[in-house]
Amino acid sequence: DGGITQSPKYLFRKEGQNVTLSCEQNLNHDAMYWYRQDPGQGLRLIYYSQIVNDFQKGDIAEGYSVSREKKESFPLTVTSAQKNPTAFYLCASSAQGEADTQYFGPGTRLTVL
Amino acid sequence: AQSVTQPDIHITVSEGASLELRCNYSYGATPYLFWYVQSPGQGLQLLLKYFSGDTLVQGIKGFEAEFKRSQSSFNLRKPSVHWSDAAEYFCAVGLSGNTGKLIFGQGTTLQVKP
Repeated sequence: DGGITQSPKYLFRKEGQNVTLSCEQNLNHDAMYWYRQDPGQGLRLIYYSQIVNDFQKGDIAEGYSVSREKKESFPLTVTSAQKNPTAFYLCASSAQGEADTQYFGPGTRLTVL
Repeated sequence: AQSVTQPDIHITVSEGASLELRCNYSYGATPYLFWYVQSPGQGLQLLLKYFSGDTLVQGIKGFEAEFKRSQSSFNLRKPSVHWSDAAEYFCAVGLSGNTGKLIFGQGTTLQVKP
């Protein structure tokens, strides 16, 4: 089955620790995206990548970092510099281009204690 | 700046009743428009999309949406709601310029009464 997987589903970390969220896709999509979702705020773009070894900041990139070493993978690191990291994180991918549909993974809920 | 507004944060309808969820956008160019649905704790599923052509778009699960350029709107409709339609619905605008970026509305939570 083709799709996007995110792991783990739930993640707990202590304040001050970095944490990496996994996102893998086997759709052969070029573009991948990370969103943050908070109640009542919709989805906000953190980072996106249109091609391997290249990525751009989204609207709320501060306190986050990404890498894109493989086409299938786009891990997101939430660093200790992120002031309010507790949220639901969604990864998405699309074939390429401005008009392509984004397909979403199941999400990871991060709770920082 | 580009923006998407979903005026209704929460809507409650009775099962079998019709549904309309509103979406207004602010964007200078011709938009690419999407409606997604999200069940609690899950990812987003695409319901339908508008790129060009016929302004009435059919989607999955019996949903449809109409693009009205004069009103900058892309409202989602369903003639008869089922209890399984209870979820959160997001409208999104795709930006031109080949970035693939989407701007999402804040979402509308749909509750269905038996």
